[in-house]
Amino acid sequence: KQEVTQIPAALSVPEGENLVLNCSFTDSAIYNLQWFRQDPGKGLTSLLLIQSSQREQTSGRLNASLDKSSGRSTLYIAASQPGDSATYLCAVEDQAGTALIFGKGTTLSVSS
Amino acid sequence: SAVISQKPSRDICQRGTSLTIQCQVDSQVTMMFWYRQQPGQSLTLIATANQGSEATYESGFVIDKFPISRPNLTFSTLTVSNMSPEDSSIYLCSVERQNARYGYTFGSGTRLTVV
Repeated sequence: KQEVTQIPAALSVPEGENLVLNCSFTDSAIYNLQWFRQDPGKGLTSLLLIQSSQREQTSGRLNASLDKSSGRSTLYIAASQPGDSATYLCAVEDQAGTALIFGKGTTLSVSS
Repeated sequence: SAVISQKPSRDICQRGTSLTIQCQVDSQVTMMFWYRQQPGQSLTLIATANQGSEATYESGFVIDKFPISRPNLTFSTLTVSNMSPEDSSIYLCSVERQNARYGYTFGSGTRLTVV
């Protein structure tokens, strides 16, 4: 059974720092991996989708990488801002069209 | 990618009552998913709802407690029945990935508090 783990569970950084969030999954035979952002008490906002054939995706200050063979993905946030404060969730799509399997998330706090 | 309208956004309910959550999608989708997010936890899949067939429930979730309707390709409801304080959670609906470029889309969530 696929399990997704995110480290660290929480992270506090000063504004301007570059940071890395980690995600690992136990079964490397995934279809896609997706990173989400969730603000307190709110729904999910999709940040990046990495297809299984891809190594990385970039959107603005965000860069996500995928290493299927080792079962790992990282989300890199450059020049962090207080507005980046949220919980970041990693989710894998085991087979095409099936429900996502989520990690527990990393709660990020960026202080000004 | 699909846009999902979910309502209500939040509700406070008395124990023993039921609440129905609605999700409306702006395009036709085959599969819809319902998740629960308990306080401080990540998302757990409740069930998968395909149009024209009964929903498929995950271990630990039963139809009597969480009945789901899927009357057409753009709409679904989840009912939380005979609520107890343990049902206090955020409930989210999601639709399948529309194409290779866009990922899964989620509704804005329903924050349920049972008192």
